[in-house]
Amino acid sequence: QKEVEQNSGPLSVPEGAIASLNCTYSDRVSQSFFWYRQYSGKSPELIMSIYSNGDKEDGRFTAQLNKASQYVSLLIRDSQPSDSATYLCAVNVYSSNSNSGYALNFGKGTSLLVTP
Amino acid sequence: KAGVTQTPRYLIKTRGQQVTLSCSPISGHRSVSWYQQTPGQGLQFLFEYFSETQRNKGNFPGRFSGRQFSNSRSEMNVSTLELGDSALYLCASSLVMSDFGYTFGSGTRLTVV
Repeated sequence: QKEVEQNSGPLSVPEGAIASLNCTYSDRVSQSFFWYRQYSGKSPELIMSIYSNGDKEDGRFTAQLNKASQYVSLLIRDSQPSDSATYLCAVNVYSSNSNSGYALNFGKGTSLLVTP
Repeated sequence: KAGVTQTPRYLIKTRGQQVTLSCSPISGHRSVSWYQQTPGQGLQFLFEYFSETQRNKGNFPGRFSGRQFSNSRSEMNVSTLELGDSALYLCASSLVMSDFGYTFGSGTRLTVV
């Protein structure tokens, strides 16, 4: 089983602080990494994707990837109460059942609570 | 543009029955993937369809099946329902096969009693 591991939280940060969400994965051949946000009672929505080692910034969000350490993270700067949600890390993993060779595995998510 | 449409939103079924769920992807999207979400297991991949063919399959029993039509709409079927099948079933739409930047539908909440 190709694991994607996240701390379930809840991670509580004050408004305006930096929230740091972490994810590790077990499949060394993984190439694509995604962060999805899921509000309570809603479906996941894609917020970031990253494919190369290093940082990728999009507004208040920064995704960081370290393939050697099999580690991907998401930083949320100037956290707002509206950022309170579950953040799902997703990684493409090799799949022998796939025509393309890959499937997308999700971690169980980290619950983030931003307090005013 | 219209998003991913899943119907019905809620279902209550009895053990042993079967159920069919429907998903209409975003216009122009040809790949449809299905996931099961439960509090204990999180999001688990069921299968992916592209051009009316199943291209990828997760580790679920044969009671779970699906299909895709020429207009890219997809259905999934669960036969002989078990209590453990109670979950949120999510459909994800993408332009091409194995394009993992999904757009998810609102899901179908299935409760098996």
